[in-house]
Amino acid sequence: DAKTTQPTSMDCAEGRAANLPCNHSTISGNEYVYWYRQIHSQGPQYIIHGLKNNETNEMASLIITEDRKSSTLILPHATLRDTAVYYCIVSLQTGANNLFFGTGTRLTVIP
Amino acid sequence: GAVVSQHPSRVICKSGTSVKIECRSLDFQATTMFWYRQFPKKSLMLMATSNEGSKATYEQGVEKDKFLINHASLTLSTLTVTSAHPEDSSFYICSARRNRQFTEAFFGQGTRLTVV
Repeated sequence: DAKTTQPTSMDCAEGRAANLPCNHSTISGNEYVYWYRQIHSQGPQYIIHGLKNNETNEMASLIITEDRKSSTLILPHATLRDTAVYYCIVSLQTGANNLFFGTGTRLTVIP
Repeated sequence: GAVVSQHPSRVICKSGTSVKIECRSLDFQATTMFWYRQFPKKSLMLMATSNEGSKATYEQGVEKDKFLINHASLTLSTLTVTSAHPEDSSFYICSARRNRQFTEAFFGQGTRLTVV
């Protein structure tokens, strides 16, 4: 799996948009970009994934650059409950393929 | 969405005893499940891949005789920590993917193991 690079930590004011960047310059053509988050002492929670088009769901938006070497996860209106470690992962789209977690970004939403 | 249930959520055991952790996919069949370990303030580390009906595949450095994995059905995988020692204390997490066409992995809530 391709390696990803994320900032170690970020702060965001409650109610504002949180933009979490991820670099994945060695991503291959058939690898997807996944985002998960982990709230303290819980299992990771799936957020969103995409291949090359921008994606949006009820939790977040995923913006992938045209060259696919980087992406940004956007939480449009951050709440205190969004405080978590956010992991950007690239992986093949197969059920048997595991996910390799990097260090992630610790997002702290500030009141 | 699909749910993966892990049990127990917390367990305390004495050194030398064995502990079994269960991972169940509640509303889908999972041919493959994954077991991770997480130390405080660290990321998840893949321990092994559990395959239904066959032997698990362990990552380098993970002792297969220490961490026994059984995947007897399409909805259940178990991880048994044998002859537990204090250094085995950790947060253990399982995950499962629905099948090859559905790409999200769903994670259990994790098991906090404390060996005293």
